[in-house]
Amino acid sequence: GENVEQHPSTLSVQEGDSAVIKCTYSDSASNYFPWYKQELGKGPQLIIDIRSNVGEKKDQRIAVTLNKTAKHFSLHITETQPEDSAVYFCAARAGYSTLTFGKGTMLLVSP
Amino acid sequence: EAGVVQSPRYKIIEKKQPVAFWCNPISGHNTLYWYLQNLGQGPELLIRYENEEAVDDSQLPKDRFSAERLKGVDSTLKIQPAELGDSAVYLCASSPVGAGELFFGEGSRLTVL
Repeated sequence: GENVEQHPSTLSVQEGDSAVIKCTYSDSASNYFPWYKQELGKGPQLIIDIRSNVGEKKDQRIAVTLNKTAKHFSLHITETQPEDSAVYFCAARAGYSTLTFGKGTMLLVSP
Repeated sequence: EAGVVQSPRYKIIEKKQPVAFWCNPISGHNTLYWYLQNLGQGPELLIRYENEEAVDDSQLPKDRFSAERLKGVDSTLKIQPAELGDSAVYLCASSPVGAGELFFGEGSRLTVL
């Protein structure tokens, strides 16, 4: 089955800095790569996703890049704000199979 | 539009007791998932339903866990008997057929003493 590795496990940045979280996956058939944000006491919420026919996708301060050859994808957050503090999960899926999640990155943005 | 609703939000029980969690998905969502989330970990799939049919339950510990989704809407996840290691958050999610996004509920936090 699919295996998703995520790094780093924790990330501390100053407000206004950029943050980058990286993930690798094992199944070359995976073609859908979402990122979820989980705030304390809440369920994960989708913030951005990318499909294998696209190399990069951007939504305001958030961007995701995908390198299918290397089987890795990354989340980039620019101009971080304290409200970006949360746990971020990457995930991967092949076709209509079930999503496999990484172990998460706790992002702390200090004012 | 109402999101995924789970209950109870919190449950504390003693080991060997039974426990049940309930999930009401977003209206019209045919696919329903139960995920287990241990502290500091990502969600791990327990079972996935397409309408009433369980299409992926390979990670469900069937000796003590059971689930049902009657009429293809609400779902119940049961643990009997609970063990100390079952302490975790149980997340329910739903999605429309063929769509990528999963919509999660707020989870049910179980503590087994």
